[in-house]
Amino acid sequence: GQNIDQPTEMTATEGAIVQINCTYQTSGFNGLFWYQQHAGEAPTFLSYNVLDGLEEKGRFSSFLSRSKGYSYLLLKELQMKDSASYLCANMDNNYQLIWGAGTKLIIKP
Amino acid sequence: NAGVTQTPKFRVLKTGQSMTLLCAQDMNHEYMYWYRQDPGMGLRLIHYSVGEGTTAKGEVPDGYNVSRLKKQNFLLGLESAAPSQTSVYFCAGQEKETDTQYFGPGTRLTVL
Repeated sequence: GQNIDQPTEMTATEGAIVQINCTYQTSGFNGLFWYQQHAGEAPTFLSYNVLDGLEEKGRFSSFLSRSKGYSYLLLKELQMKDSASYLCANMDNNYQLIWGAGTKLIIKP
Repeated sequence: NAGVTQTPKFRVLKTGQSMTLLCAQDMNHEYMYWYRQDPGMGLRLIHYSVGEGTTAKGEVPDGYNVSRLKKQNFLLGLESAAPSQTSVYFCAGQEKETDTQYFGPGTRLTVL
């Protein structure tokens, strides 16, 4: 079967660093995506990894290990506006995205 | 550019009623998708289209139909709404070069 696992909820402090993990078991791999979704809004694209390693984009970085079926999203210098859900998704052999349930990130002052 | 838009934003239906959700995009996307999002679950694919005039079933197609008569529009229909179809519906278009999906603002549907 196809499965994407990520923690349901995480709490972090403003200014700190947080790592959100994602493990996947899907039929094939054609890229790992991270999206941000604020409450009541649509998901918005954050990052994409297709090769192993770290992709850095400002305060956000995403890491991929294809052999381990594992990715993480690293958020640095947390701001209150980073309070949102973070969705991990894997593109399978049919070029369809398989989505995790999302990790709700709560930022405390 | 408006990107991906959806109408309506909110709707309340009674069981058995029908409705059509409209998704429009001006980003020249070939691939378009309809998802539903329910609490505690990931986005689930209802139907998708890889081009004008083509549609295909996703993970949860039962109770829904779609049409893609024009490249820029992707319609989702509910023929006889059921309370289990209460959900938030998102449309997305996919950028060919990067496989990145761009979402519309969503339609919040309640079926009583």
